[in-house]
Amino acid sequence: DVKVTQSSRYLVKRTGEKVFLECVQDMDHENMFWYRQDPGLGLRLIYFSYDVKMKEKGDIPEGYSVSREKKERFSLILESASTNQTSMYLCASSFSVDYGYTFGSGTRLTVV
Amino acid sequence: QQQVKQSPQSLIVQKGGISIINCAYENTAFDYFPWYQQFPGKGPALLIAIRPDVSEKKEGRFTISFNKSAKQFSLHIMDSQPGDSATYFCAAHTDKLIFGTGTRLQVFP
Repeated sequence: DVKVTQSSRYLVKRTGEKVFLECVQDMDHENMFWYRQDPGLGLRLIYFSYDVKMKEKGDIPEGYSVSREKKERFSLILESASTNQTSMYLCASSFSVDYGYTFGSGTRLTVV
Repeated sequence: QQQVKQSPQSLIVQKGGISIINCAYENTAFDYFPWYQQFPGKGPALLIAIRPDVSEKKEGRFTISFNKSAKQFSLHIMDSQPGDSATYFCAAHTDKLIFGTGTRLQVFP
C-alpha cells in the first residue's frame, strides 16, 4: 500500500523554536507538497517541489522554508515558530494530478 | 483569481437523500477539477475528478456537474449514507491544486 508518512502526529513547541516537520513517501513520486489546514480556510499551499533540490512558494510561504535533499523526503521548517502557526500540516505527493495527490495523516502542531 | 469558493460550509442530510456541494472559480486557466474526501484523523483522498471539456462525470453514487460558462462545478451524492459523513473539498489545478474551504457533511440514519 502506497504511503506518505509524516513523522509526528502531534507536536507541541514553544514560540521562537525552530521546528522541523518531516514527510517521506515510498511511491517514487517527483512532486511533493506542504499544505496547512485550518477550519473555515480549507487547505492552503505553503510550498511545493517538482524535483530534488527544487522548491516553489505556494500561497502562504511566509515564516516557512523547505528542504528536499532526497526524492522521497520533503521537510517543512518553521524558522521561528509563532502562535499563528498552530495548525494541522498535511504533506502530499503525486505522480501527476490525474492520479491524485496522496496525503499523509497530518501533523497537528501547537505553538505555545 | 486563484481562489475556489465552496459552499455550504456544513450540510446535514437524511439517509437516502441527495447531498449537493457547490464550487465556483474565476481563473480560466484551471484545467482539472477534483473532489477530495477527508475522514477525521486522515488526510484527504481523491474521490472523483473532471476536466473542463466534459459537463458531467458519474462514478457510482457520486456525480460531478460542470458548467464552464458559469465557472461552477458541483458534487452530487445520491442515496447519501452515514458512511459518507466526512469533509469534502473541491479543488482546481493549474501547476498545483488550489482547494476550496471544505464542506462538512453529516448523514443521519
